Amino acid sequence: TQLLEQSPQFLSIQEGENLTVYCNSSSVFSSLQWYRQEPGEGPVLLVTVVTGGEVKKLKRLTFQFGDARKDSSLHITAAQPGDTGLYLCAGWMDSSYKLIFGSGTRLLVRP
Amino acid sequence: DAGVIQSPRHEVTEMGQEVTLRCKPISGHNSLFWYRQTMMRGLELLIYFNNNVPIDDSGMPEDRFSAKMPNASFSTLKIQPSEPRDSAVYFCASIPSSWLAGGPRSGDTQYFGPGTRLTVL
Repeated sequence: TQLLEQSPQFLSIQEGENLTVYCNSSSVFSSLQWYRQEPGEGPVLLVTVVTGGEVKKLKRLTFQFGDARKDSSLHITAAQPGDTGLYLCAGWMDSSYKLIFGSGTRLLVRP
Repeated sequence: DAGVIQSPRHEVTEMGQEVTLRCKPISGHNSLFWYRQTMMRGLELLIYFNNNVPIDDSGMPEDRFSAKMPNASFSTLKIQPSEPRDSAVYFCASIPSSWLAGGPRSGDTQYFGPGTRLTVL
């Protein structure tokens, strides 16, 4: 059982469309990160959110940390083919010194 | 900066053989992580070193796995004997600080290496 569930698992959309990826848990995290991973490479950090309710924007990407620090979302506006990749959320649990990764969302943006 | 360096990039071995994966973290980074990624289980933390000392190795699957960090610029992950179910991509990552006091903070970045794709036949 995954501690961090991501949805959807797969998403195929047309260039220019908007999308939202969700990361949910029943556990509380002290901070949460989002990564993007391309084939044959390691994950690359996009953002870290640390405060419940926090919203961060990175160009066309908007990240939100839930008020209770149990969930997060990633919204992409006007998706581009360069956004294609595996998106991973990861939450830090103070109780175990562990960064727990979500199951991942594989995004394909078609030109 | 060269980033996190891992070797080899690909390793194919037969069941029962010993496998050693190597990692050179970014110079000046205090903490190093080993992860394993499979389709079934996703990305899992195996072990976390801070200042060359193992902090949490509860993610190491079993006694066949061992990790060392003899100095700040080098770490190894050894599997002996290897089994087909160990086939995965193994990543090493480093951070410039420590996450012991509350985990990642805003602005913290964990840098991943390119990974080692291990196939055990």
